[in-house]
Amino acid sequence: DAKTTQPTSMDCAEGRAANLPCNHSTISGNEYVYWYRQIHSQGPQYIIHGLKNNETNEMASLIITEDRKSSTLILPHATLRDTAVYYCIVRAARSSGNTGKLIFGQGTTLQVKP
Amino acid sequence: ETGVTQSPTHLIKTRGQQVTLRCSSQSGHNTVSWYQQALGQGPQFIFQYYREEENGRGNFPPRFSGLQFPNYSSELNVNALELDDSALYLCASSSKSPYNEQFFGPGTRLTVL
Repeated sequence: DAKTTQPTSMDCAEGRAANLPCNHSTISGNEYVYWYRQIHSQGPQYIIHGLKNNETNEMASLIITEDRKSSTLILPHATLRDTAVYYCIVRAARSSGNTGKLIFGQGTTLQVKP
Repeated sequence: ETGVTQSPTHLIKTRGQQVTLRCSSQSGHNTVSWYQQALGQGPQFIFQYYREEENGRGNFPPRFSGLQFPNYSSELNVNALELDDSALYLCASSSKSPYNEQFFGPGTRLTVL
């Protein structure tokens, strides 16, 4: 599984968009980009995933560059409840012989401020 | 739809003891993965169970073992507890799909004294 690089921490003003970057320069063609977040003392929460097209759901948008070497998670209107550690994970689709385990790095601590 | 549940919430044990942690998977999910999260670190994959069999294992010693039951719930057993086993233990359930979004429970906080 390819490795990811994220900034250690970021601040965002409440109500503004939070843009969380992730570098995954060694990503291979069959690997997806997943984002999870972990609010203090809770289990990680799935946010979104994508392969090469931009994706949007009720929580966030995922923008993947054309070369797929980096991506950005966008929380369009951050609230105080979005304060959490955000993990960017690159992983191949699950198949025989592949558990689809998630390899977590240190993540980005996002602090949303009033 | 019921989410992933884990029990107990907190647990205190002493070095050398054995512990069993429990996980109920989300409805319709047949795969359970266990992760260990030390303080200040990201979760680390322990192992995964699918159809009651171990389906992959991370870099954890054999004293970490598990079970999955016909209803897809799961147990994590740790023997001969060490101080470094103090951590948040997370269970995640998923369906057998290629995309395999994993849905996590709230975790069990284990403290080994």
